[in-house]
Amino acid sequence: EAGVAQSPRYKIIEKRQSVAFWCNPISGHATLYWYQQILGQGPKLLIQFQNNGVVDDSQLPKDRFSAERLKGVDSTLKIQPAKLEDSAVYLCASSVGLAPGETQYFGPGTRLLVL
Amino acid sequence: GEDVEQSLFLSVREGDSSVINCTYTDSSSTYLYWYKQEPGAGLQLLTYIFSNMDMKQDQRLTVLLNKKDKHLSLRIADTQTGDSAIYFCAESIRSGTYKYIFGTGTRLKVLA
Repeated sequence: EAGVAQSPRYKIIEKRQSVAFWCNPISGHATLYWYQQILGQGPKLLIQFQNNGVVDDSQLPKDRFSAERLKGVDSTLKIQPAKLEDSAVYLCASSVGLAPGETQYFGPGTRLLVL
Repeated sequence: GEDVEQSLFLSVREGDSSVINCTYTDSSSTYLYWYKQEPGAGLQLLTYIFSNMDMKQDQRLTVLLNKKDKHLSLRIADTQTGDSAIYFCAESIRSGTYKYIFGTGTRLKVLA
């Protein structure tokens, strides 16, 4: 079974530029998550989708971050404009559903450096 | 409140047991998890325990849960150099929907 795919793996941009990350979850997984992992910290949930609907985006900085999962499969996360403090690893994860105990499977992440 | 804390570093000798500790604050946790993260990689699920259990054993891994003290531990028996990584505990809580709260991670270094 293929795992969660993410691209690009690395991205370097200057502040105020825009950037987009892509995630392809495990086939058949209805729930998709985007996390931000700042160096030395644990992952922090940014947004959670169930199929193509947003379930939780309470920690997403909506003035600059946006995410979509239009067809309920792939997802993109965009930052516009980027700030220095957005430098982090952006992790995508997926799970079969939303029930408690559903295991989340993580992709390798996209490492973003904002200069 | 939602807070998960771990010690930052642990160093052990190859063949010894490692014990990684985690404390959490949300008493509504349903499941608690241990993930492993190797350099440049995503998080890999190691094991999990349901909140009404005290202990779970899975090969070299033993998870102990003390609900009264909100304390979770992961014991790795016969630690190998390949176990060197960052270990994250996470709790699944109900906050609207079910979501994970991760700890800050414990970096385990295994000395040959």
